[in-house]
Amino acid sequence: GAGVSQSPSNKVTEKGKDVELRCDPISGHTALYWYRQSLGQGLEFLIYFQGNSAPDKSGLPSDRFSAERTGGSVSTLTIQRTQQEDSAVYLCASRYDSGPLSEQFFGPGTRLTVL
Amino acid sequence: AQSVTQLGSHVSVSEGALVLLRCNYSSSVPPYLFWYVQYPNQGLQLLLKYTSAATLVKGINGFEAEFKKSETSFHLTKPSAHMSDAAEYFCAVTFSGGYNKLIFGAGTRLAVHP
Repeated sequence: GAGVSQSPSNKVTEKGKDVELRCDPISGHTALYWYRQSLGQGLEFLIYFQGNSAPDKSGLPSDRFSAERTGGSVSTLTIQRTQQEDSAVYLCASRYDSGPLSEQFFGPGTRLTVL
Repeated sequence: AQSVTQLGSHVSVSEGALVLLRCNYSSSVPPYLFWYVQYPNQGLQLLLKYTSAATLVKGINGFEAEFKKSETSFHLTKPSAHMSDAAEYFCAVTFSGGYNKLIFGAGTRLAVHP
């Protein structure tokens, strides 16, 4: 079956513009995570969804970052007024249930470059 | 708080040599530990995980890791390196009650030379 997909694979934007990154999780996976991978900060957690709710948003770096999930499926990460420090690879992962024993499956990521 | 430290950002081995990638963790509650591999321009793939069932965990591609509570370590090993093992490896920790978000180490880039 299909894995986690993300779009676009690459995004180049100008400083100050808004961007939307999309994640399509594996069908039936109720848990969804966003992570960010950058040279300076490594791999860091951003936000967690269980269904359409986000009980843990503790990793969002500023109020310019927001995310939503609809229909318990697709999730969109929005970055407003992008800054150069937002340049990174944004990874999405989904999990069948919320238990720690179940594997998180990662998508290929979206590489964001802010000029 | 939970954290992971990977010793050595770059490791280089000869083909056929032992691979040893080091990971130490800090956790105030029983941890679940993972090793992920990332090949160039690809997402993360799970190699193996420790979930308290057994301290020696075998994963894919001949990798294994041993959980040592007394040393707070979860080092990754492979007896004989292949060229195809060249990638970046991440150790990660999670725990019950924290929504199971993964906390990653900084990663170790493994180079395998002929």
